[in-house]
Amino acid sequence: GAVVSQHPSWVICKSGTSVKIECRSLDFQATTMFWYRQFPKQSLMLMATSNEGSKATYEQGVEKDKFLINHASLTLSTLTVTSAHPEDSSFYICSVRTPGPNSPLHFGNGTRLTVT
Amino acid sequence: QQQVKQSPQSLIVQKGGISIINCAYENTAFDYFPWYQQFPGKGPALLIAIRPDVSEKKEGRFTISFNKSAKQFSLHIMDSQPGDSATYFCAASPEGNLIFGKGTKLSVKP
Repeated sequence: GAVVSQHPSWVICKSGTSVKIECRSLDFQATTMFWYRQFPKQSLMLMATSNEGSKATYEQGVEKDKFLINHASLTLSTLTVTSAHPEDSSFYICSVRTPGPNSPLHFGNGTRLTVT
Repeated sequence: QQQVKQSPQSLIVQKGGISIINCAYENTAFDYFPWYQQFPGKGPALLIAIRPDVSEKKEGRFTISFNKSAKQFSLHIMDSQPGDSATYFCAASPEGNLIFGKGTKLSVKP
């Protein structure tokens, strides 16, 4: 069954507004969640690592004030795209790693964001 | 080097044929090599993964071949089916985060 639940699956918003995307770990507590971004017909690029109870770690080139990450509980991480612009339109995907050594990374079904 | 180079970019295979996708890496610290399958509008799903202590891993019609000395690994899909049509990503990880290849769009023709 699904390991990761992501919501919403798609969202359309107007330029200048903010959008929140939720990522839930369904079967276990996840102290770490990962947020990826994927442009059409391109690969997945890691944006940030969400750490429960502490600040997220952002990859180089990702604006932390633009992409706010909150990991308030062991099963929920949120990504807020603030003051969205058309160039932020993309497919955002979260992922979690199941507990234990050598564990795989499982992805949510993604959120298609379209900024008009 | 943190890159993972994947080829081909796209692949067309007849039903029943073998699909082969190749990846190469530079960083010898990488020790986990998964393959993901992604359908349009969906998140990637883990297909099969291998660690460098083995040269081959098979799960059903899917096989990973791993060549540690050449720093290359490949995915073989036997008896390819139209339902296998998707984008496939190889990835590599030293520990923690994954670094993805650029993906291969596979089309299996009936």
